[in-house]
Amino acid sequence: DAKTTQPTSMDCAEGRAANLPCNHSTISGNEYVYWYRQIHSQGPQYIIHGLKNNETNEMASLIITEDRKSSTLILPHATLRDTAVYYCIVRVQVGNQGGKLIFGQGTELSVKP
Amino acid sequence: GAVVSQHPSRVICKSGTSVKIECRSLDFQATTMFWYRQFPKQSLMLMATSNEGSKATYEQGVEKDKFLINHASLTLSTLTVTSAHPEDSSFYICSAPPPGHGNIQYFGAGTRLSVL
Repeated sequence: DAKTTQPTSMDCAEGRAANLPCNHSTISGNEYVYWYRQIHSQGPQYIIHGLKNNETNEMASLIITEDRKSSTLILPHATLRDTAVYYCIVRVQVGNQGGKLIFGQGTELSVKP
Repeated sequence: GAVVSQHPSRVICKSGTSVKIECRSLDFQATTMFWYRQFPKQSLMLMATSNEGSKATYEQGVEKDKFLINHASLTLSTLTVTSAHPEDSSFYICSAPPPGHGNIQYFGAGTRLSVL
């Protein structure tokens, strides 16, 4: 699986958009980009994933560059509850039931009042 | 949405005792579940893949005799930490992928193990 690079930490003002970058310059054509987050002392939570098109759901938007070497997770209106560690994971789609996920260090996002 | 339940949420035990942690998929069947361990200020580290009806697959460096995994049904996997010692104190988290959802996984709330 391709390696990802994320900033260690970021701050964001409450109510503003939080843009979390992820670099995956060695991504292969069949690898998806997944985003998870972990609020302190809880299990991780799935946010969004995509292959090459931009994706949006009720939680966030995912922007993937045309060359697929990087992506940005956007939380459009960050709240204090979005304070968490955000993980970008690149993974081949595996069969009918998912394969293991390898977590990097992630980005610690602090949303401030 | 899919829910994964993990129990207990917190356990304190004496050194040398064994502790069992349960992971249940509540509204879907999971032929595969995953166990992670997380130390303070660190990321999740995958320990093993639990396979229903067969032996678990352990990651390199994880002692299979110390961390016993049983996946006896399509909705339940258990992790037993045998002869626990203070260095086994950690946050243990399980996950399960619902069928047909690729690499989307749902995680339990985690178990905080403290070994005295």
